[in-house]
Amino acid sequence: GENVEQHPSTLSVQEGDSAVIKCTYSDSASNYFPWYKQELGKRPQLIIDIRSNVGEKKDQRIAVTLNKTAKHFSLHITETQPEDSAVYFCAASSTGRRALTFGSGTRLQVQP
Amino acid sequence: DTAVSQTPKYLVTQMGNDKSIKCEQNLGHDTMYWYKQDSKKFLKIMFSYNNKELIINETVPNRFSPKSPDKAHLNLHINSLELGDSAVYFCASSQYGVDEQYFGPGTRLTVT
Repeated sequence: GENVEQHPSTLSVQEGDSAVIKCTYSDSASNYFPWYKQELGKRPQLIIDIRSNVGEKKDQRIAVTLNKTAKHFSLHITETQPEDSAVYFCAASSTGRRALTFGSGTRLQVQP
Repeated sequence: DTAVSQTPKYLVTQMGNDKSIKCEQNLGHDTMYWYKQDSKKFLKIMFSYNNKELIINETVPNRFSPKSPDKAHLNLHINSLELGDSAVYFCASSQYGVDEQYFGPGTRLTVT
């Protein structure tokens, strides 16, 4: 089955800096890669996603890149703000198996 | 107007008891999921239903029995609760052919 690895497990940055979180996946059939943000005690919230036919996607301060050959994808947050502090999860799924396989999460702390 | 809702939000019970968690979505989706988030924040798929039919059943003890009375509802019944069942259980939904999954607020189950 699919296995998703995520790094780093914790990330601390200064407000205004950029943050990068990286994930690798194992199943070449995976074709959908969402990123979720989870604040303490809250539900995971979809913040951005990318499909395998696209190499990069951007939405304001967040962007995701995908390298299908290397089977890795990354989340980039620019101009970080304290409210970006949360746990971020990458995930992968395929058309045949639509359940999400999650990475282990990255706790991002933005220092004001 | 809540998209995916779960009841109860908190559930504290003793070992050996039987309990149920309910999930409802008003998004018109036809696929629903149960995910388990353990104390280390790992999120893992348990079950998936499409049009009331079970399509994914991960390696979950048979003390866990999902039930989907209709497309908008997915319940989870747990028999003979054990300490290791303590976790946050998230329901999610999606529309077949569309990848995005939306999560409910979670049910924090504590077994004492």
